[in-house]
Amino acid sequence: EVQLLESGGGLVQPGRSLRLSCAASGFAFDDYAMHWIRQAPGKGLEWVSGISWNSANIDYADSVEGRFTISRDNAKNSLYLQMTSLRAEDTALYYCVAFNNYVEGFEYWGQGTPVTVSS
Amino acid sequence: DIQLTQSPSSLSASVGDRVTITCRASQIINTYVNWYQQKPGKAPKFLIYAASTLQSGVPSRFGGSGSGTDFTLTISSLQAEDSATYYCQQSYSAPWTFGQGTKVEIK
Repeated sequence: EVQLLESGGGLVQPGRSLRLSCAASGFAFDDYAMHWIRQAPGKGLEWVSGISWNSANIDYADSVEGRFTISRDNAKNSLYLQMTSLRAEDTALYYCVAFNNYVEGFEYWGQGTPVTVSS
Repeated sequence: DIQLTQSPSSLSASVGDRVTITCRASQIINTYVNWYQQKPGKAPKFLIYAASTLQSGVPSRFGGSGSGTDFTLTISSLQAEDSATYYCQQSYSAPWTFGQGTKVEIK
């Protein structure tokens, strides 16, 4: 059974940092690019960042470029998102998502970890 | 960035109805469109890739079509369990963008 288990979310003050983690199991983690996609309360889906299977290619949304850093550890089947200089508009449910390179779609989704940025 | 515009934003239909959702891209993206279904409180589910290919396990009442800039998700005979929000998404180029979503309700 495929599982993507996010952790690390919580309530944080504006300007502070937070590190999200995602533990993957049940599929060949190092065959997949991995992404973070977020969903603000009552809103749609927003892609945040993605990393290729070997970490050679990394992309960020303009809204987080320079503040967020994505990384992965294939030996630990884990994905990370280091978030700094957090803003109120970063408040969202953050999903860890596996991207199938063959069908070019977001195939596996975690249940999300909530991040609330508020003073 | 490639913008995706879905219509309608919401719809209400009866069980057994044929439902159509459209997704228009701001530039030509060939068939690099995927569709997702999200039920309240749940993560999105991958339904269709490459505009028209059903992901494994997806009921055959779901269908996709289109190429270039205009795409369609069709539910041929709406079922109660299809009540959800549907999103299109483009995989043509980063940043990977989503449509704003279409909420489907059952009358």
